[in-house]
Amino acid sequence: GENVEQHPSTLSVQEGDSAVIKCTYSDSASNYFPWYKQELGKRPQLIIDIRSNVGEKKDQRIAVTLNKTAKHFSLHITETQPEDSAVYFCAASRGMEYGNKLVFGAGTILRVKS
Amino acid sequence: DAGVIQSPRHEVTEMGQEVTLRCKPISGHDYLFWYRQTMMRGLELLIYFNNNVPIDDSGMPEDRFSAKMPNASFSTLKIQPSEPRDSAVYFCASSFRWRADYGYTFGSGTRLTVV
Repeated sequence: GENVEQHPSTLSVQEGDSAVIKCTYSDSASNYFPWYKQELGKRPQLIIDIRSNVGEKKDQRIAVTLNKTAKHFSLHITETQPEDSAVYFCAASRGMEYGNKLVFGAGTILRVKS
Repeated sequence: DAGVIQSPRHEVTEMGQEVTLRCKPISGHDYLFWYRQTMMRGLELLIYFNNNVPIDDSGMPEDRFSAKMPNASFSTLKIQPSEPRDSAVYFCASSFRWRADYGYTFGSGTRLTVV
């Protein structure tokens, strides 16, 4: 089955700096890659996603890149703010044809220091 | 829409007792997922349903765990008997296959503590 590895496990950055979180996946049939943000005591919430037919997607300060050949994808947050502090999870899925179950990475604790 | 609704939000029970967690998915969603979150194991998929039918329960840890979805608007996850190692946050999520982003939405979770 699918296995998703995520790095780093913790990341501290200064406010205004950029943060990058990286994930690798094992199943070449995976074609949907969402990123979730989870604040303390709250539910995971989708912040951005990308499909295998796209190499990059951007939404304001966040962007995701995908390298299908290397089977890795990354989350980029620019101009970080204290409210970006949270746990971020990457996930991979083979899509609805296979039930769209998401396999999650272990998570990255992002701390933005002001 | 009120989103995915889970109850209770918190549950404290004694070892050996039966625990039932409840979930109401978003109306119209055709997939329902049960996840367990712990510090050690992260977010683990326990079981998921499509149109009320269980599709994959390979993540259910033991026979003590069971899940049902009697109709499109309700699902339960039952642990009987409960053990301290079952302590975790249990999330329910639902999604809709015909949305571009699948509309994958989590409930607020149930924090289970077994003492």
